[in-house]
Amino acid sequence: DAGVIQSPRHEVTEMGQEVTLRCKPISGHDYLFWYRQTMMRGLELLIYFNNNVPIDDSGMPEDRFSAKMPNASFSTLKIQPSEPRDSAVYFCASSLYSGGGDTQYFGPGTRLTVL
Amino acid sequence: GQNIDQPTEMTATEGAIVQINCTYQTSGFNGLFWYQQHAGEAPTFLSYNVLDGLEEKGRFSSFLSRSKGYSYLLLKELQMKDSASYLCAVGGEDSNYQLIWGAGTKLIIKP
Repeated sequence: DAGVIQSPRHEVTEMGQEVTLRCKPISGHDYLFWYRQTMMRGLELLIYFNNNVPIDDSGMPEDRFSAKMPNASFSTLKIQPSEPRDSAVYFCASSLYSGGGDTQYFGPGTRLTVL
Repeated sequence: GQNIDQPTEMTATEGAIVQINCTYQTSGFNGLFWYQQHAGEAPTFLSYNVLDGLEEKGRFSSFLSRSKGYSYLLLKELQMKDSASYLCAVGGEDSNYQLIWGAGTKLIIKP
């Protein structure tokens, strides 16, 4: 398997623009996680899905963030409108079983810069 | 509350041994993970402990004491490529499938 795939790898945009990040999990994995990583706050869980259904979105910062998983092989994280404080590396991860007791495999990340 | 503590930064010499500690306080326990993250890259899985004791995997070993809420990662025969951040993560409540992540320990290897 190719591992978790994310696109784009880098995104530079201006404040107020819409940003869409994409993720393809490892085939057969039932859990998909979206994380954000910054120097100040470390790795933060934003939202996770089980079998395409959002289970916990309590980590989503505010209504400007939304995530979808229309099928087992694709998920998006959207920020609209984007703000400079959203600048971070966004990781997608997937696991076969529950995240609390199973290994999560991370994608390469999307480095987002909002000017 | 739920909390994971690990040192911010450590320095060690090539060829030596280093121990990175992690203490945790969580609601429930479903295992402890160590991940390695090189600068500019994604975290990658190193080890998983769910029972007390030492798990050895090549140059890396991980220890767990559930009664003390304590774990350590032991790296032997350090190589320059071991320079990275090491993240401790704990599986929390059984009904909430989230990992609780530590802030990571940046390990600097000097020649």
